[in-house]
Amino acid sequence: EAGVVQSPRYKIIEKKQPVAFWCNPISGHNTLYWYRQNLGQGPELLIRYENEEAVDDSQLPKDRFSAERLKGVDSTLKIQPAELGDSAVYLCASSLRGASSGNTIYFGEGSWLTVV
Amino acid sequence: GQNIDQPTEMTATEGAIVQINCTYQTSGFNGLFWYQQHAGEAPTFLSYNVLDGLEEKGRFSSFLSRSKGYSYLLLKELQMKDSASYLCAVRDRRNTDKLIFGTGTRLQVFP
Repeated sequence: EAGVVQSPRYKIIEKKQPVAFWCNPISGHNTLYWYRQNLGQGPELLIRYENEEAVDDSQLPKDRFSAERLKGVDSTLKIQPAELGDSAVYLCASSLRGASSGNTIYFGEGSWLTVV
Repeated sequence: GQNIDQPTEMTATEGAIVQINCTYQTSGFNGLFWYQQHAGEAPTFLSYNVLDGLEEKGRFSSFLSRSKGYSYLLLKELQMKDSASYLCAVRDRRNTDKLIFGTGTRLQVFP
């Protein structure tokens, strides 16, 4: 069974440019997460979807970040315009009906963003 | 508030045993996860504890004490491939779909 798939794997952009990341969760997983991980830190939740509904986006910097999950499957995370401080790994993850009842959250390999 | 503490770095020798501690203070608690993350790779699930006690899974074991807000991950018979970061994550009781991660413990195994 395929895991969480993300693209692009690596991206280098100049500041003020836009960037978008794509995620395809594990088949059947209705909960999708976007996390950001800075070097030497643990992942921090940006947004969580239950199907196509964003149920927790309290830590998403809405002035420049946006996300969507049309049809409740694939998701995209966009940054516009990017700033130097956005350099990080953007991890997509998915699980069955959220993390309730011990359901494991599975991570993709991440999209490594460098803003120069 | 929510706070999860882990040592930043640890070193150990191949074949030895190492214990990675995690203490947490959260407004609610509904389970604790340990993840392994090799450099440049995604975090992968190791263990889940929701009740007090020890969960053993091969060379890896995880312990939880809810009253003390404490967990540890025990790695036995260390191998070079165990060199990685180990992330402790707590599930929020009020928002059971949200995992709060610690900063991770970077473990280096030497021959």
